[in-house]
Amino acid sequence: ETGVTQTPRHLVMGMTNKKSLKCEQHLGHNAMYWYKQSAKKPLELMFVYSLEERVENNSVPSRFSPECPNSSHLFLHLHTLQPEDSALYLCASSPRLAGQQDTQYFGPGTRLTVL
Amino acid sequence: AQKVTQAQTEISVVEKEDVTLDCVYETRDTTYYLFWYKQPPSGELVFLIRRNSFDEQNEISGRYSWNFQKSTSSFNFTITASQVVDSAVYFCALRSFAGSARQLTFGSGTQLTVLP
Repeated sequence: ETGVTQTPRHLVMGMTNKKSLKCEQHLGHNAMYWYKQSAKKPLELMFVYSLEERVENNSVPSRFSPECPNSSHLFLHLHTLQPEDSALYLCASSPRLAGQQDTQYFGPGTRLTVL
Repeated sequence: AQKVTQAQTEISVVEKEDVTLDCVYETRDTTYYLFWYKQPPSGELVFLIRRNSFDEQNEISGRYSWNFQKSTSSFNFTITASQVVDSAVYFCALRSFAGSARQLTFGSGTQLTVLP
């Protein structure tokens, strides 16, 4: 596997379910990101991790809980979601956190539908 | 505050036509980076180019070219001799140290459809 991978690619869940999204990067990067892409809206940064430490949380509701066990893996745990949380969730990684010039490389996303 | 504006929501062209996607940005920083990404129907954001604020040279890569104009805060993207495979949503993005240094600020994207 190369680049950034995400599983599952599609997920349908009820509002009372608990599920997790997984992201893995094979690029040796130290920073990882979760973005939310809703229809007709710009990408929204949700969380940022650097060397497994969360460094940013952009006012995301607590029903979204990130976890970064190591620099290659990032999870997004979901519970008690709302229909408006239906979106494409994109994971990205970059070589460093503070490198302004560093390019973020994205995974294919998980298309989440909350019923 | 940072802002990226892609005024063209949707563009349709016929194959082999040239097409330009507009991007206008706002930032207080003098040092910043601009990016273009392509998002095909599969969903993955594919990195196309990165440009720093001190380098105003235009760049060409095959059928793709980018025109960076600091005076008008624009970073436009042109596809020459478009092909059906170019159909995708294209995003312009900005990263600077104004506000969050870690954040890429994205435009709302331009949906490009290339018709055969």
